[in-house]
Amino acid sequence: NAGVTQTPKFQVLKTGQSMTLQCAQDMNHNSMYWYRQDPGMGLRLIYYSASEGTTDKGEVPNGYNVSRLNKREFSLRLESAAPSQTSVYFCASSVEPRGQTQYFGPGTRLLVL
Amino acid sequence: SQKIEQNSEALNIQEGKTATLTCNYTNYSPAYLQWYRQDPGRGPVFLLLIRENEKEKRKERLKVTFDTTLKQSLFHITASQPADSATYLCALDPRLLGDAGNMLTFGGGTRLMVKP
Repeated sequence: NAGVTQTPKFQVLKTGQSMTLQCAQDMNHNSMYWYRQDPGMGLRLIYYSASEGTTDKGEVPNGYNVSRLNKREFSLRLESAAPSQTSVYFCASSVEPRGQTQYFGPGTRLLVL
Repeated sequence: SQKIEQNSEALNIQEGKTATLTCNYTNYSPAYLQWYRQDPGRGPVFLLLIRENEKEKRKERLKVTFDTTLKQSLFHITASQPADSATYLCALDPRLLGDAGNMLTFGGGTRLMVKP
């Protein structure tokens, strides 16, 4: 099992460009999450999908959109990238949304110039 | 507002000693508390989960305590080794399922350095 995979590993964008971060899990988990991690800020939840077919905003959703494509895949889209979105993005999954271990992907480092 | 505090300064200890990391929280009533390890350039990895009605949980050299009165969790690594050097994150799983603020919420993490 690969666990949680993310692509790309690293990306440089210019302000205003768009991109989609891809995430897939092979553990048959119901719930998936997108976080961003900034120095001194810890992990902050952007969006989550408690189950296939549902998505909800997290703590910092502005400037992002998500799609739960199927049970395995959960993508994060930046429509018009801004320098404030420079961060490391982590995707995670869990069996259910509450009281469960979250399994994290390796992260995507995004630099917006 | 809800807040989770971990010591942002690195904790430096000698190999073989016990490392103790602290997680304090305010304005939460967590049903669960989790600890994760994060190595540089990698995603967090789950270590332990403790429920609100459990005072202590152990796993090999790791021990977690959870005091809901003090609103504090302590994370101990006994007989520490240089390989234990990493950042350790605590995360609270709030009682109520509901809006965005009630999902698993992470502290900023504490970096542990174990010197040979």
